[in-house]
Amino acid sequence: AQSVSQHNHHVILSEAASLELGCNYSYGGTVNLFWYVQYPGQHLQLLLKYFSGDPLVKGIKGFEAEFIKSKFSFNLRKPSVQWSDTAEYFCAVQFARGYQKVTFGTGTKLQVIP
Amino acid sequence: GAVVSQHPSWVICKSGTSVKIECRSLDFQATTMFWYRQFPKQSLMLMATSNEGSKATYEQGVEKDKFLINHASLTLSTLTVTSAHPEDSSFYICSASAQKILDQPQHFGDGTRLSIL
Repeated sequence: AQSVSQHNHHVILSEAASLELGCNYSYGGTVNLFWYVQYPGQHLQLLLKYFSGDPLVKGIKGFEAEFIKSKFSFNLRKPSVQWSDTAEYFCAVQFARGYQKVTFGTGTKLQVIP
Repeated sequence: GAVVSQHPSWVICKSGTSVKIECRSLDFQATTMFWYRQFPKQSLMLMATSNEGSKATYEQGVEKDKFLINHASLTLSTLTVTSAHPEDSSFYICSASAQKILDQPQHFGDGTRLSIL
């Protein structure tokens, strides 16, 4: 079955530390990949997306993600986190291009300590 | 950017009543809308996909007669939880996309917290 895995459930970092959140999916076909962020008390917002082309994708607020097809991964990174990055991060995958259904990972709660 | 409005944001009602949740795309035509359910400390689970002018497609395990979805226009989809019971208490989130534009991400509403007493 098609699935999305986020192995880090809760991450605690100090400000200025580097961040990498893992995301893996199980599907051999074409995928569209997303990272969404949910700040406390707010709705989901799109952080970045990958459809095709350069596997290194840059998003808003200094975030980037790399699609590694051979590893079925789409990890999220940020070189230096800020307290304002405290939020929950969801990886999401569309398992067939052009078909809108999206499957979400279980989410990673990031807590940045000042 | 694209805005999706969801109403109400919070509703508390007695067991046995029906509750309607609205999802509106404010500045774009949403031919496809999605309804998700999020349990505490869990991810979003897709309940159904709603296409304007046609019947919704429900995910496995979601009761069609329990969760009625109507997508009567390009800007409005409604989810009605019929004869709600405490186990239906959850956070319901809608999202919308303009399906005619392929490979577009979904835009999410703020969600509705449903509490059944």
